[in-house]
Amino acid sequence: RKEVEQDPGPFNVPEGATVAFNCTYSNSASQSFFWYRQDCRKEPKLLMSVYSSGNEDGRFTAQLNRASQYISLLIRDSKLSDSATYLCVVKTSYDKVIFGPGTSLSVIP
Amino acid sequence: DTGVSQDPRHKITKRGQNVTFRCDPISEHNRLYWYRQTLGQGPEFLTYFQNEAQLEKSRLLSDRFSAERPKGSFSTLEIQRTEQGDSAMYLCASSLRRSFSTNEKLFFGSGTQLSVL
Repeated sequence: RKEVEQDPGPFNVPEGATVAFNCTYSNSASQSFFWYRQDCRKEPKLLMSVYSSGNEDGRFTAQLNRASQYISLLIRDSKLSDSATYLCVVKTSYDKVIFGPGTSLSVIP
Repeated sequence: DTGVSQDPRHKITKRGQNVTFRCDPISEHNRLYWYRQTLGQGPEFLTYFQNEAQLEKSRLLSDRFSAERPKGSFSTLEIQRTEQGDSAMYLCASSLRRSFSTNEKLFFGSGTQLSVL
């Protein structure tokens, strides 16, 4: 089993839609969780950290369920500029940072 | 430019040749990571350093791959006897790991695109 798994995608949604991405991780002792964004042919960049109580940054909401080893990212009111690949990232109990395979999002006019 | 820089940006080589990539992290960062990424996949962990110490190397990585960070600053990744399956984007990232926090933001370089013919 892979250490971090994500919805395979791709997701194609109209502008203004709400879209949710799911992620699961295998190491129950993992310490920290993040969502990164990667534009086509660019390097990944941090979108937001994920906290146990859930956290929000504008149109983006991240949730963590440690019992289910599950992380989610919700994007509300999708914009064309949200089109990218979203990478679920886990810092394991061994202190290394592991990326999921990514979920591709295309927001269509 | 105070970001992470990687050199070269592109490398084309023939199968069987050795290649070496360089990464210069953000100056105060103590952690340095190497990842490999192929089209449609997320970055795959290769190895990482805390200062000059190599803390872990992926079990998926063959002995043809070696990485160093001799003075705790820049790092090199060498691939010996390259194979066509080594063709990928090689990404370097650095971070400032603080002992009192598990939060760690990685800053990536633009990567080195390797093509093995």
